[in-house]
Amino acid sequence: GAGVSQSPRYKVAKRGQDVALRCDPISGHVSLFWYQQALGQGPEFLTYFQNEAQLDKSGLPSDRFFAERPEGSVSTLKIQRTQQEDSAVYLCASSRVGADTQYFGPGTRLTVL
Amino acid sequence: QKEVEQNSGPLSVPEGAIASLNCTYSDRGSQSFFWYRQYSGKSPELIMSIYSNGDKEDGRFTAQLNKASQYVSLLIRDSQPSDSATYLCAVKVNTGTASKLTFGTGTRLQVTL
Repeated sequence: GAGVSQSPRYKVAKRGQDVALRCDPISGHVSLFWYQQALGQGPEFLTYFQNEAQLDKSGLPSDRFFAERPEGSVSTLKIQRTQQEDSAVYLCASSRVGADTQYFGPGTRLTVL
Repeated sequence: QKEVEQNSGPLSVPEGAIASLNCTYSDRGSQSFFWYRQYSGKSPELIMSIYSNGDKEDGRFTAQLNKASQYVSLLIRDSQPSDSATYLCAVKVNTGTASKLTFGTGTRLQVTL
């Protein structure tokens, strides 16, 4: 079946612009995760949803970052007033409830100029 | 101290040799351990998971876990050029609803002809 999809794959923003990144998890996957991966680093956890409930947002670096999953399927990560340090690949992953295996999407590469 | 530590490499091994990748973690509450492979510009792909002390083998891959030493390793036998990638170690602390993965920075493996 289809894997996790993310759009756009590449996004260039000018400093101060708002961006919205979309994630379509694997059908039926209850759990959804967002990670941020800076160049040369491992992914770092941002936030976690179980269905529409955001159960953990401890990794969001500032109040400029906001995530939602209103109907328990598609999720959007929004970054307001982007800064150069926000440049990274944003990875979305999903898993079945109670399962350990997380399946990653291809990521969105955000470049803030 | 980072929660999950890996040598960033590059680790260079000749084709056909055994590649040994190591990872240490700091949280003794960690219960699930994963190795992901990430090709340049691609998303992480799960190759092994291990939950109990000892060895777990899957084809050319063997994961080893020593909880007392807080140490996880991945052995790749008969290394192939296609194994050249960054290998990410990830741990999961099972605390109620918290399901996030904590990643190391990754070890870059180069398999030479």
